[in-house]
Amino acid sequence: GDSVTQMEGPVTLSEEAFLTINCTYTATGYPSLFWYVQYPGEGLQLLLKATKADDKGSNKGFEATYRKETTSFHLEKGSVQVSDSAVYFCALSGSDKLIFGTGTRLQVFP
Amino acid sequence: NAGVTQTPKFQVLKTGQSMTLQCAQDMNHNSMYWYRQDPGMGLRLIYYSASEGTTDKGEVPNGYNVSRLNKREFSLRLESAAPSQTSVYFCASRTGYRTGSKAGGLTDTQYFGPGTRLTVL
Repeated sequence: GDSVTQMEGPVTLSEEAFLTINCTYTATGYPSLFWYVQYPGEGLQLLLKATKADDKGSNKGFEATYRKETTSFHLEKGSVQVSDSAVYFCALSGSDKLIFGTGTRLQVFP
Repeated sequence: NAGVTQTPKFQVLKTGQSMTLQCAQDMNHNSMYWYRQDPGMGLRLIYYSASEGTTDKGEVPNGYNVSRLNKREFSLRLESAAPSQTSVYFCASRTGYRTGSKAGGLTDTQYFGPGTRLTVL
């Protein structure tokens, strides 16, 4: 069945460091791909998405490119801030529901 | 436009008690979902309703029941709470809009509520 695998955390970085969180997927058909972010004590909110191969989603300095050839959707940011500390979830869209990865906790220190 | 709302925000139950978690959305979405989130486990789908009048089991449906009361509301019921049901529960909704070929998945954004923190003693 469809699945999402993302790197285990926590990922610990200093402010202004470069961020990569890896996400790979297995799917039949042509799913859409999403990154959601969960700040402490809150629900999940959409960070960015891409609906077809080679699309790049971007928001708040974060980017991810839908790579069909490597079945990947890695999340990147050039310079992280303390306020980016959160849990990040990669997800793919099946026929009627999202399939989530297990989440990666990011901790950014000043 | 309140988005997805959940009540209550916090709840403490004793083993064997029952309760209903309420969820409502004001975005005219077709599909609604209930998840639970446990430390180190990510999100697990309990039940979902792809459209008004339908409900389906997710990964972890045992011990729960749901009702899609109307297009806006989707409730989750614990008939006899157990300590293993201590968790944070999230409701979510989406339009259920699909583009492209039949093989294409849903393309629309899923919106989440703020969560209900449930403790079963």
